[in-house]
Amino acid sequence: GDSVTQMEGPVTLSEEAFLTINCTYTATGYPSLFWYVQYPGEGLQLLLKATKADDKGSNKGFEATYRKETTSFHLEKGSVQVSDSAVYFCALSDASGSARQLTFGSGTQLTVLP
Amino acid sequence: GAVVSQHPSWVICKSGTSVKIECRSLDFQATTMFWYRQFPKQSLMLMATSNEGSKATYEQGVEKDKFLINHASLTLSTLTVTSAHPEDSSFYICIPMREGDGYTFGSGTRLTVV
Repeated sequence: GDSVTQMEGPVTLSEEAFLTINCTYTATGYPSLFWYVQYPGEGLQLLLKATKADDKGSNKGFEATYRKETTSFHLEKGSVQVSDSAVYFCALSDASGSARQLTFGSGTQLTVLP
Repeated sequence: GAVVSQHPSWVICKSGTSVKIECRSLDFQATTMFWYRQFPKQSLMLMATSNEGSKATYEQGVEKDKFLINHASLTLSTLTVTSAHPEDSSFYICIPMREGDGYTFGSGTRLTVV
């Protein structure tokens, strides 16, 4: 079945540091890939997505590129801020499945220190 | 657009009682509804998938008689946790699926069973 493997946290960085959170996936078809963010006490919000190979999703300074050859969708940000502290989830939706449910990674807790 | 209302946002109930969680898509029609739960510091796990007017499909290990799902209309789905126990304490999230591969998350319901 489909699965998403995410870099384990927690990750602690200083403000303005470079961020990478690794995400790899296995899927039977041609999935769409997502990054969701969950701020403390809130629900999940879509951060960015990519629907086909070599697509780059970007939002709020975050970027991720859909790499089919390495089955990866790593999240990056050049300069993190304290307000980026949250839990980040990588997810996929397999277009070959009839249900198209989202499969989530385990989440990575990011803490940015001032 | 794409607004989802999930109620209640939090609930505390006594062991053995039942709790109903409502999920409404306010400005779109959702033919498919996904129900997830998230235990503390864990990822979101799919519980069941429901389609309007038909019985829900439950994931392995999820008791269909305990977690009753009703998807009576294109804008409303309910999850009823029957005879709740402390181990059912979790964060429950609905995700209605929109046309065009769109996922809009409910804000979630934090259930605490005492």
